[in-house]
Amino acid sequence: AQSVTQLGSHVSVSEGALVLLRCNYSSSVPPYLFWYVQYPNQGLQLLLKYTSAATLVKGINGFEAEFKKSETSFHLTKPSAHMSDAAEYFCAVIMGSGNTGKLIFGQGTTLQVKP
Amino acid sequence: DAGVTQSPTHLIKTRGQQVTLRCSPKSGHDTVSWYQQALGQGPQFIFQYYEEEERQRGNFPDRFSGHQFPNYSSELNVNALLLGDSALYLCASSSQAGGAETQYFGPGTRLLVL
Repeated sequence: AQSVTQLGSHVSVSEGALVLLRCNYSSSVPPYLFWYVQYPNQGLQLLLKYTSAATLVKGINGFEAEFKKSETSFHLTKPSAHMSDAAEYFCAVIMGSGNTGKLIFGQGTTLQVKP
Repeated sequence: DAGVTQSPTHLIKTRGQQVTLRCSPKSGHDTVSWYQQALGQGPQFIFQYYEEEERQRGNFPDRFSGHQFPNYSSELNVNALLLGDSALYLCASSSQAGGAETQYFGPGTRLLVL
């Protein structure tokens, strides 16, 4: 069975500091992996996705993530945090083959950016 | 190009009532998925519709049902509401059933059951 674990329900960084949000997955087949962001009182917006092409994936707003099969990880990073990055971030997985598009989400990580 | 739209934005119901939520997919999309997001949790998959049929269902009781119309819009119905059904209900659309096509989410309908 597939699952996603996001380590750290709350991460706080200073403006300009590195952002690192951790995600580990469990999947019996090659996964497709996603990071979504949710701003208060809004739906989810896709930041980036991994679909078995390049292991380093670049997304919107300066975010990127690296797929590491040996570590079953897909951590999200951004070199320099902006105040506007404060939001809830969700990692999600879809089974790689024969899947039906059912996204399985982690519990989410709240990113706080301090001035 | 309008994205995914959902109505209503907010809804208050009492226990035992029934509710219908609506979703219009992004233009060109034919697949609609519904998710329930309880406060402080990640979204949970309810079911997915493609070609007016339910393609896959998550671990939700039969009180949760849905429908997809020929224009690809969709409804989520919940009968016999429980307090625990209070949540943000998200609709997502994509361009094909299955695969890694990006799912685009609407703003959600926030349901409060009293």
